[in-house]
Amino acid sequence: GNSVTQMEGPVTLSEEAFLTINCTYTATGYPSLFWYVQYPGEGLQLLLKATKADDKGSNKGFEATYRKETTSFHLEKGSVQVSDSAVYFCALSDRGGAQKLVFGQGTRLTINP
Amino acid sequence: NAGVTQTPKFRILKIGQSMTLQCTQDMNHNYMYWYRQDPGMGLKLIYYSVGAGITDKGEVPNGYNVSRSTTEDFPLRLELAAPSQTSVYFCASSLEPGGRSTEAFFGQGTRLTVV
Repeated sequence: GNSVTQMEGPVTLSEEAFLTINCTYTATGYPSLFWYVQYPGEGLQLLLKATKADDKGSNKGFEATYRKETTSFHLEKGSVQVSDSAVYFCALSDRGGAQKLVFGQGTRLTINP
Repeated sequence: NAGVTQTPKFRILKIGQSMTLQCTQDMNHNYMYWYRQDPGMGLKLIYYSVGAGITDKGEVPNGYNVSRSTTEDFPLRLELAAPSQTSVYFCASSLEPGGRSTEAFFGQGTRLTVV
């Protein structure tokens, strides 16, 4: 079945540091890939997505590129802020069907001023 | 724009009690989902629905039931609460993709503790 493996957390960085959170997946066919973010006390919200190989999703300074050859979708940001502190989830969904999401275990990110 | 609304936000149940977690969305989305989030884990799919009158099991359906009588509402029922059902529950909805993936919109969650 489909699965997503994320970099183990928690991750603690200083403000303005470079961020990478690794994500790899196993899937049949050609899934769509997502990064969701969960701020404290809130539900998940979409951060960015990519629907086909070599697509780059970007939002709020975050980027991730759909790499079919390495089955990866790593999240990066060049300069993190305290406000980026949250839990980040990598996820995939099958094309068509019911768009069910399969999530990684989440990575808690803390940014210190 | 309310989006996806879940009630209650918190609940404590005793073992063997029953309850219904409510979920409603005002975006006219066809697809709705229930996920649970255990500490340090990703979300796991409990049940989903692709439209009114249609429901199907996800990865972890045991101990739960759902119904979808309207497009807007997708309640989740726990019949005999067990400690293993202590979790945070999220309802989500999305549009029928029409060949393209669309994002899922999540409610704020219900934190359930079974004691």
